[in-house]
Amino acid sequence: DAKTTQPTSMDCAEGRAANLPCNHSTISGNEYVYWYRQIHSQGPQYIIHGLKNNETNEMASLIITEDRKSSTLILPHATLRDTAVYYCIVRVAIAGSARQLTFGSGTQLTVLP
Amino acid sequence: NAGVMQNPRHLVRRRGQEARLRCSPMKGHSHVYWYRQLPEEGLKFMVYLQKENIIDESGMPKERFSAEFPKEGPSILRIQQVVRGDSAAYFCASSPGVPGGSYEQYFGPGTRLTVT
Repeated sequence: DAKTTQPTSMDCAEGRAANLPCNHSTISGNEYVYWYRQIHSQGPQYIIHGLKNNETNEMASLIITEDRKSSTLILPHATLRDTAVYYCIVRVAIAGSARQLTFGSGTQLTVLP
Repeated sequence: NAGVMQNPRHLVRRRGQEARLRCSPMKGHSHVYWYRQLPEEGLKFMVYLQKENIIDESGMPKERFSAEFPKEGPSILRIQQVVRGDSAAYFCASSPGVPGGSYEQYFGPGTRLTVT
């Protein structure tokens, strides 16, 4: 699985958009970008994933650059409950191959009141 | 639709005792993963199981640790003769096993093991 690089920490004002970047310059053609978050002491929570197209769900949007070497997770209106460590994970996801997740250090997002 | 369930949520064991951690995957999920998070450290993969099969145990310590996912019932992570260094949060995750389906993993709330 490709290695990812994320900033160690970020702050965001409550109600504003939080934009979390991730670099994955060695990503392969069959690797997806997954985002998870871990709120203190809780189990990690799946947020979103994508291959090459931008994706949006009820939690967030995922913007993947055209060359796929980086991506940005966007939380459109951050709340205090979004304070968490956010993990960007690149992983192969093909039929018959459901593999483990490799968590890096992630980005500690702190939403400020 | 119930999520991944783990029990107990907190477990205290004395050195040398056995710890049994249970995980019930989401309904319809046939893949189970165990991860460990040591204090102030990141999540580390331990083992990946399907029903009655261990698929990948490359992250499991060589001794004292074992896992199973029987045909009926929850997945069990077993730690024999626990030591203080086993104190950690143990998370279970599950994913569906349908080829071509999505492979995102859904995590349980974890079991906090404290060895005294």
